[in-house]
Amino acid sequence: DAGVIQSPRHEVTEMGQEVTLRCKPISGHNSLFWYRQTMMRGLELLIYFNNNVPIDDSGMPEDRFSAKMPNASFSTLKIQPSEPRDSAVYFCASRLAANEQFFGPGTRLTVL
Amino acid sequence: AQRVTQPEKLLSVFKGAPVELKCNYSYSGSPELFWYVQYSRQRLQLLLRHISRESIKGFTADLNKGETSFHLKKPFAQEEDSAMYYCALGQGGSEKLVFGKGTKLTVNP
Repeated sequence: DAGVIQSPRHEVTEMGQEVTLRCKPISGHNSLFWYRQTMMRGLELLIYFNNNVPIDDSGMPEDRFSAKMPNASFSTLKIQPSEPRDSAVYFCASRLAANEQFFGPGTRLTVL
Repeated sequence: AQRVTQPEKLLSVFKGAPVELKCNYSYSGSPELFWYVQYSRQRLQLLLRHISRESIKGFTADLNKGETSFHLKKPFAQEEDSAMYYCALGQGGSEKLVFGKGTKLTVNP
């Protein structure tokens, strides 16, 4: 198993553009998490899904952020419009039941 | 509110010296505590969890409910231990984790 897969690995975009980050969880895992990592705030949970259903999106910073999980093997995190303060590393993680969370390699987003 | 505090942003020790990475938590329920590690250019991975009470790569961590702490310790640090370490608090079956801001450990030769 390749583990959690994220794409793209790096994204550079201009302020105002739409950004879509993608995640493929480990097959068979039923929970998926999106995190944002910055120097100032560390690792923050943005949203998580259980069996494809969003359970807690209280960490989503504002309406510009949205996340979907149309099926068990795919999730997206969208930022529209993007702003320079959104620059960060975005991690996706997946988990099976009460086991550990497995993290993807992250997407480094730079908004100019 | 649930909170995890890692007071040291940076920690530097020499090879062979003992190392302790501090973690304090705030949670009214029954906590589940974890340590995650991120080596350079690698993904975040679980190092250990308090319920398993095991030693991984020579690291141990004891949950102290009285002091609400879960400090990570290793008696003799190695250069390959240099990494970013995150303490995390699980709630209600650990579905959701609250992470500390992390401590960057550097082990010098």
